[in-house]
Amino acid sequence: GAGVSQSPSNKVTEKGKDVELRCDPISGHTALYWYRQSLGQGLEFLIYFQGNSAPDKSGLPSDRFSAERTGGSVSTLTIQRTQQEDSAVYLCASSRPVSNGGASGFWTDTQYFGPGTRLTVL
Amino acid sequence: GQQLNQSPQSMFIQEGEDVSMNCTSSSIFNTWLWYKQDPGEGPVLLIALYKAGELTSNGRLTAQFGITRKDSFLNISASIPSDVGIYFCAGRSNFGNEKLTFGTGTRLTIIP
Repeated sequence: GAGVSQSPSNKVTEKGKDVELRCDPISGHTALYWYRQSLGQGLEFLIYFQGNSAPDKSGLPSDRFSAERTGGSVSTLTIQRTQQEDSAVYLCASSRPVSNGGASGFWTDTQYFGPGTRLTVL
Repeated sequence: GQQLNQSPQSMFIQEGEDVSMNCTSSSIFNTWLWYKQDPGEGPVLLIALYKAGELTSNGRLTAQFGITRKDSFLNISASIPSDVGIYFCAGRSNFGNEKLTFGTGTRLTIIP
């Protein structure tokens, strides 16, 4: 597809249940990110995948949260034993790596966001 | 998690007015980005800034990367109805550290 897609668009679950959220990045984008946006707040970084490198999990709020990326494309964010404070919009973004010109390393280009999954834990 | 200080939180303006919003941080960033988010959508990148002191325009939008690397502002000139939405600043701190730190957002409303 043309953009990042996420499913489901809405998820209502009961406290204590596990949920899986899916992200399909833009084809060819090697970097994938998950963010969480609570009501009226900015986005909070959760986890970042870049190619075959070990993911940056520094933003995951607890061990109930995990994510995987299969085949370098689709990613699934799993929340186990959901709590009410997990209610938020979960946003996925993808980007492609580009050369930064003068510096020694590289950084990825623009992050394109999906529409998000609105999770409500009752 | 850490968030940038963004102000104002909300703005109510009339169509045609100019808008200014800014972000400040206690940490240095090497990249500043400005995003707009419409209801039910993910944020969309408006402007990216890569050098301290850089001033960049995108149509009616102008943004600057502060000299201290700890702040940025976004100006919108001659606002139109489709400018309504929530604007977020975001910073990226280190080369190779790809995660973005977002501001708390500025909600722009245009009064008819």
